[in-house]
Amino acid sequence: SAVISQKPSRDICQRGTSLTIQCQVDSQVTMMFWYRQQPGQSLTLIATANQGSEATYESGFVIDKFPISRPNLTFSTLTVSNLSPEDSSIYLCSVAGTGLNTEAFFGQGTRLTVV
Amino acid sequence: QKEVEQDPGPLSVPEGAIVSLNCTYSNSAFQYFMWYRQYSRKGPELLMYTYSSGNKEDGRFTAQVDKSSKYISLFIRDSQPSDSATYLCAMKETSGSRLTFGEGTQLTVNP
Repeated sequence: SAVISQKPSRDICQRGTSLTIQCQVDSQVTMMFWYRQQPGQSLTLIATANQGSEATYESGFVIDKFPISRPNLTFSTLTVSNLSPEDSSIYLCSVAGTGLNTEAFFGQGTRLTVV
Repeated sequence: QKEVEQDPGPLSVPEGAIVSLNCTYSNSAFQYFMWYRQYSRKGPELLMYTYSSGNKEDGRFTAQVDKSSKYISLFIRDSQPSDSATYLCAMKETSGSRLTFGEGTQLTVNP
């Protein structure tokens, strides 16, 4: 398993500003994922971040709104830009293992409230 | 139609009850099936992981996969108040591909 540290754990931000969320893993991983979990909803994949290449975004998510960095195999950031109240959600990073046991492990999440 | 369907509940049971949580899916290419537990204000925690069809048991938890019916289940025996959480099923096609989650079932076990 992997230990994932995500910060901040929560934040309250003004509309129009941006929030950058950091995700640190205790081991090197190839694939890192960023999810959004809106209140009472399941997880929706925002993008997949691979080291050394541009992130791959899912339908409905764009780089201008959710820029992602992946400078090395243990770290990634997700920025939520030009915040609006609709961005209030929990944001989670996760990593996949290697080989056949590619189950995903999650950070504790960042609870964002936009006011 | 969603790829993965899960009854959101809420489900409330007395302590000691057997709990059955279920998901159905439409994508026959799904090969890996997982169950996650998510406590309030926490990230999901992997509970069970199954490849293809069959059963898998871990303590009080049993995961079943029936690929012919596109149906997976998680059984919790002798349920405890500490099992109160949201349970999410997830699945994926091949090693390394992205997960598709169900909506999650909110479970409360009453002492």
